[in-house]
Amino acid sequence: DADVTQTPRNRITKTGKRIMLECSQTKGHDRMYWYRQDPGLGLQLIYYSFDVKDINKGEISDGYSVSRQAQAKFSLSLESAIPNQTALYFCATSDPTSEDYNEQFFGPGTRLTVL
Amino acid sequence: GESVGLHLPTLSVQEGDNSIINCAYSNSASDYFIWYKQESGKGPQFIIDIRSNMDKRQGQRVTVLLNKTVKHLSLQIAATQPGDSAVYFCAEMDSSYKLIFGSGTRLLVRP
Repeated sequence: DADVTQTPRNRITKTGKRIMLECSQTKGHDRMYWYRQDPGLGLQLIYYSFDVKDINKGEISDGYSVSRQAQAKFSLSLESAIPNQTALYFCATSDPTSEDYNEQFFGPGTRLTVL
Repeated sequence: GESVGLHLPTLSVQEGDNSIINCAYSNSASDYFIWYKQESGKGPQFIIDIRSNMDKRQGQRVTVLLNKTVKHLSLQIAATQPGDSAVYFCAEMDSSYKLIFGSGTRLLVRP
């Protein structure tokens, strides 16, 4: 089945370390997104990409960077992790050419803990 | 600024009853609204959507109502089942095709 996968699923790291979260999709979608979810709260958009050469900042991009290596891959990096970046991170995709072009499909999430 | 929020953080219902989850939004220019369901340990899953030119849309056991006059959105789940227990988010799409999520309502279904 076409899917959105994230690696790792869980990660514990220390303050100041560089961390990369990977997202891959087999849906063939052009648009990809990274979201952050804090406990009990909704999702906040970090970065999004509408195609391989397109990168855009979301609501909370400070402290994060992204790389769109290919249509199927969108990586999120924390250059120097800090404890308040402890959260759940979700990748999502959407297909602007489909009838339901606004629907986003989410990966299973990465739980990141920064000590 | 644009924002989407929810009235009730937790809703507890008896199995078999109908559930209603509410959401308020502030951007009257928003054209598209979505309800997502998030089960524990999983990513959000699309339930149903509605465009601003509609007042009501029905799916399988779910109905979304949109009241643009008071900027209110609701999700109705008929004959609530234990598998409906989850956190439900409303989301609003802004003019740049980005989703703005509300803070979520937890639905608990009592057996």
